[in-house]
Amino acid sequence: DAMVIQNPRYQVTQFGKPVTLSCSQTLNHNVMYWYQQKSSQAPKLLFHYYDKDFNNEADTPDNFQSRRPNTSFCFLDIRSPGLGDAAMYLCATSTPGQGYNEQFFGPGTRLTVL
Amino acid sequence: GDSVTQMEGPVTLSEEAFLTINCTYTATGYPSLFWYVQYPGEGLQLLLKATKADDKGSNKGFEATYRKETTSFHLEKGSVQVSDSAVYFCALSEKNTDKLIFGTGTRLQVFP
Repeated sequence: DAMVIQNPRYQVTQFGKPVTLSCSQTLNHNVMYWYQQKSSQAPKLLFHYYDKDFNNEADTPDNFQSRRPNTSFCFLDIRSPGLGDAAMYLCATSTPGQGYNEQFFGPGTRLTVL
Repeated sequence: GDSVTQMEGPVTLSEEAFLTINCTYTATGYPSLFWYVQYPGEGLQLLLKATKADDKGSNKGFEATYRKETTSFHLEKGSVQVSDSAVYFCALSEKNTDKLIFGTGTRLQVFP
C-alpha cells in the first residue's frame, strides 16, 4: 500500500543534543510537510517542500531545519532541542492538480527531551 | 485570513448515541473542507471531504455536508461506538494552495 512512513515512532534525546527525524513516502507526491503537534492541539505547520522548493513558516524557530534529498525522503533536524520542543512531529504529503489540498499523514514521531 | 472554528470538547456520549460536532469556517474563496480523525498516539487520517457547496462527504457512518449559506461543515454520526473515541479536526484548503487550515480539534469520548 502507498503510504507515508516515519521513523522512529518514538525518539528520546537530551537537552541540546541534535536529533533528526525521518519521513519517507511511496505516494510519489510533490509536496511534503512537517508539523509539530502538542497535547492534541491542532498540528502547527513548520515548513513544507514543493518538489525542491523550501517554504518556511514565518514563526518557525531557526532551531528547526529540513532537508529533502529526493522525492521520497524528507528529514527534520532539530539542532539544539529544548524542553519545549517535546511534541509529536507529523509528516504529510500532498499532490497538486486536484484543485484542493488533501494531505496524507504519517503515524508521527513522538519526541521526548530529557 | 481564513479560519476554522470547532466546538469545544470533550464531547462525551454513550455508545449508540447520535453525534454532532460543529464546524464553521471563514474563507475568502470557495475552499474544500475536510474532517480528519486522530486516534490516541497516531497521526491524522482523512475521514471525509467535500470540495464544493452542497457536497456531502461520508465514510464509516460519518457524514458532513458543505453548507455555503451557513459556512458550516458539521460532522454527524447516527450511532457512535467506543472505537470512535478520538480527536476530530475540521480543516479547509483554499483552491490551488499548498496549506490546510485546521480547527482546534474536538475530543470525542464514547462510553459503553
